[in-house]
Amino acid sequence: DAKTTQPPSMDCAEGRAANLPCNHSTISGNEYVYWYRQIHSQGPQYIIHGLKNNETNEMASLIITEDRKSSTLILPHATLRDTAVYYCIVRVLGDSNYQLIWGAGTKLIIKP
Amino acid sequence: KAGVTQTPRYLIKTRGQQVTLSCSPISGHRSVSWYQQTPGQGLQFLFEYFSETQRNKGNFPGRFSGRQFSNSRSEMNVSTLELGDSALYLCASSDQGAAGANVLTFGAGSRLTVL
Repeated sequence: DAKTTQPPSMDCAEGRAANLPCNHSTISGNEYVYWYRQIHSQGPQYIIHGLKNNETNEMASLIITEDRKSSTLILPHATLRDTAVYYCIVRVLGDSNYQLIWGAGTKLIIKP
Repeated sequence: KAGVTQTPRYLIKTRGQQVTLSCSPISGHRSVSWYQQTPGQGLQFLFEYFSETQRNKGNFPGRFSGRQFSNSRSEMNVSTLELGDSALYLCASSDQGAAGANVLTFGAGSRLTVL
């Protein structure tokens, strides 16, 4: 079962910041939060990940609440090419190794 | 460096047949994971191989199997194909061991249609 909850879809105007929320209320203390995105007909692309602290890279910022029950992915200046399905994922311990549990994702549409 | 390569990109099979899909990871990556993606179920984890050993397995029937070779290339096989096996099969590689951050690089996928 997915450990994350995301809105099914969101719109954002081109050039504006896109803020994608994710709830992971059952996350454990040592479980990372990952974000990937999938552009139509392509394989998912890694964006960012974090454990407790906020993270930033060249693609996005990840804001994790202090209680770790939710997080927000921020695309600072969205472009049309950012239209994709965005997955918020928690890494859990499987049989003998960690595995990523994928939810349904948020379909983000960037409008001109 | 070259990305993750999956072959074939598209294939059509009939029920009861079997299929083998191939994945070449990024050079130096020793972990290869396989996922099935369907419109109804989303992305579902099949299995992961690390240094030729299956390290983790999802909840799929025994008809789904895989292996990894000494050069880290991996294959997955589906026997006795069913209509419900129609899906995009994605391979991802990682250079991290079990304690690593598991940043995955995905291939473009193999789209299987079962008639």
